[in-house]
Amino acid sequence: EDQVTQSPEALRLQEGESSSLNCSYTVSGLRGLFWYRQDPGKGPEFLFTLYSAGEEKEKERLKATLTKKESFLHITAPKPEDSATYLCAVQAPMFSGGYNKLIFGAGTRLAVHP
Amino acid sequence: DVKVTQSSRYLVKRTGEKVFLECVQDMDHENMFWYRQDPGLGLRLIYFSYDVKMKEKGDIPEGYSVSREKKERFSLILESASTNQTSMYLCASSHDYSSYEQYFGPGTRLTVT
Repeated sequence: EDQVTQSPEALRLQEGESSSLNCSYTVSGLRGLFWYRQDPGKGPEFLFTLYSAGEEKEKERLKATLTKKESFLHITAPKPEDSATYLCAVQAPMFSGGYNKLIFGAGTRLAVHP
Repeated sequence: DVKVTQSSRYLVKRTGEKVFLECVQDMDHENMFWYRQDPGLGLRLIYFSYDVKMKEKGDIPEGYSVSREKKERFSLILESASTNQTSMYLCASSHDYSSYEQYFGPGTRLTVT
């Protein structure tokens, strides 16, 4: 069964304290892995897409990496405005019609304190 | 910028009521999606539409139906609301089959009493 697991569930950091979020997945034939940021009371906001092992993407203090079994979202010198829930999703085939869907993990709630 | 809007941010309905959730996107996207988001479960796909009047069931379609009469608008219908449908409902859109960068609306928090 296609599955996405994120860890930790919650992470508290001091401003400037770098860390990493993990997304492990089992899917038959990875077609893409996606990272989203979700602020309280809002819909998820797209951050990155990764397609193949070894690929990396960066945006400001965030860097996403991908291996054959997992992805990491590295946060370097975080600021309080980086506080949010970070969601990971993998693209997997639907059971009909030849279309793909996204399977989401439950997310990691990040809190960065000054 | 892509904009996805949802008709209500908060809704309170009674058990057995018929509920309509509306979603509109302004970027001429082919694909539109409805998800529900529950604590600890993440986002789960309810229905997907890849064209006007076309739809596919997602992982949890029971108790829901959808309508897409115009390209920009995708409606989620709860035929007879139940308390276990209390949730955050999120609409999303994406450009085409090959692009799975989905753009989300702000969500509707539905409470069924």
